[in-house]
Amino acid sequence: DVVMTQSPLSLPVTLGQPASISCRSSQSLVDSDGNTYLSWIQQRPGQSPRRLIYKASDRDSGVPDRFSGSGSGTDFTLRISRVEAEDVGIYYCMQVMHWPPTFGQGTKLEIK
Amino acid sequence: EVQLVESGGGLVQPGGSLRLSCAASGFTFTNFWMSWVRQTPGKGLEWVANLNEDGSAQYYVDSVKGRFTVSRDNARNSLYLQMDSLRAEDTAVYYCARDSGWSRGYAQYWGQGTLVTVSS
Repeated sequence: DVVMTQSPLSLPVTLGQPASISCRSSQSLVDSDGNTYLSWIQQRPGQSPRRLIYKASDRDSGVPDRFSGSGSGTDFTLRISRVEAEDVGIYYCMQVMHWPPTFGQGTKLEIK
Repeated sequence: EVQLVESGGGLVQPGGSLRLSCAASGFTFTNFWMSWVRQTPGKGLEWVANLNEDGSAQYYVDSVKGRFTVSRDNARNSLYLQMDSLRAEDTAVYYCARDSGWSRGYAQYWGQGTLVTVSS
């Protein structure tokens, strides 16, 4: 299975400041169709997961534009331009290029 | 509004069986692949199974192959997960998820989850 490795695992951030989470995959996530099949998932405390980003950089509907995804091949980044209180939670990268889809360990974002 | 509501979780002994259900609403159920994903404190998130629109193609993670069966009833807008020969390591919150309607558009929407505990 494809191994997804995130860093950092804990991310204390001051409100209004930017935040960045890295994710590395053990295999390329680029398909022959040119798309990169990497998603970012948010899980707020006590809630179900929610997909934020798909195909590495496309935002799902309703996702604030302070969230952005980038990267290609095996290295990816989720950025939050200005952290808000509602962003507290755990963020997972997820690859859907290879079966089975696999997740990173999660990065816990908290407010300093 | 897309809604996915899981049910059927509970406490079961090792070797036992359980059937999870997921009631879908707010979208045309027959147009989408559906999935089951589970979450444990120790192992995090783990994909369990996928099922195509008409139920003719099922895909499973190796750890549940031969023990779990995913199915759907499109007339009832429902997804199911039959879990047999349950093991302690199957203890988890089980989520059903809907895809985006295109290839590999997995897990756009998630339900609230149902807890399965396998213990004697």
